[in-house]
Amino acid sequence: DAMVIQNPRYQVTQFGKPVTLSCSQTLNHNVMYWYQQKSSQAPKLLFHYYDKDFNNEADTPDNFQSRRPNTSFCFLDIRSPGLGDAAMYLCATSRDSSAFFGQGTRLTVV
Amino acid sequence: QKEVEQDPGPLSVPEGAIVSLNCTYSNSAFQYFMWYRQYSRKGPELLMYTYSSGNKEDGRFTAQVDKSSKYISLFIRDSQPSDSATYLCAMTPNSGGYQKVTFGIGTKLQVIP
Repeated sequence: DAMVIQNPRYQVTQFGKPVTLSCSQTLNHNVMYWYQQKSSQAPKLLFHYYDKDFNNEADTPDNFQSRRPNTSFCFLDIRSPGLGDAAMYLCATSRDSSAFFGQGTRLTVV
Repeated sequence: QKEVEQDPGPLSVPEGAIVSLNCTYSNSAFQYFMWYRQYSRKGPELLMYTYSSGNKEDGRFTAQVDKSSKYISLFIRDSQPSDSATYLCAMTPNSGGYQKVTFGIGTKLQVIP
């Protein structure tokens, strides 16, 4: 049973056109994360929510924003996607132990 | 120097072989160690979770942590073609709540039938 669900699995967007990726969880975990993973690279943390508290990594570009309207859902907004933003975007959750990941959304920018 | 070093491979082994995957790290604050398996175009899946030094076994998988050497390993016995994936080591100073997880780059494993 899927516990961290990301939609869509594949997203194609135009250069500069805003795009939103979504994540939902059935685990009731209080922490949710967004990672960016480029080909043959380690996942890179963009930001996380601890309950409603938003925490941005220092090197996350302003182009990336996030919303968490409730415990179950979290969104990643890319305001003006560039070619360099093409990547796999991973949502994860945690509570008392290790992080659980969704299947990711592969973003293509054309 | 990266905080976590992992050989990206690829590593090719025949079916049935014992596979050894390794990571070294430099941050002595790391206390919790994970191994994730990532199939192509999928999200990482947690395989093993260990605390501090020692061994942990789960079926064909054994995780080892040697904090004195800052070295962790994942052994896969009787490897199967379905084990072909990228294996990411990961570590964090804490458990519970927010976890600042540092990942290795991942080792790509291919098990040949």
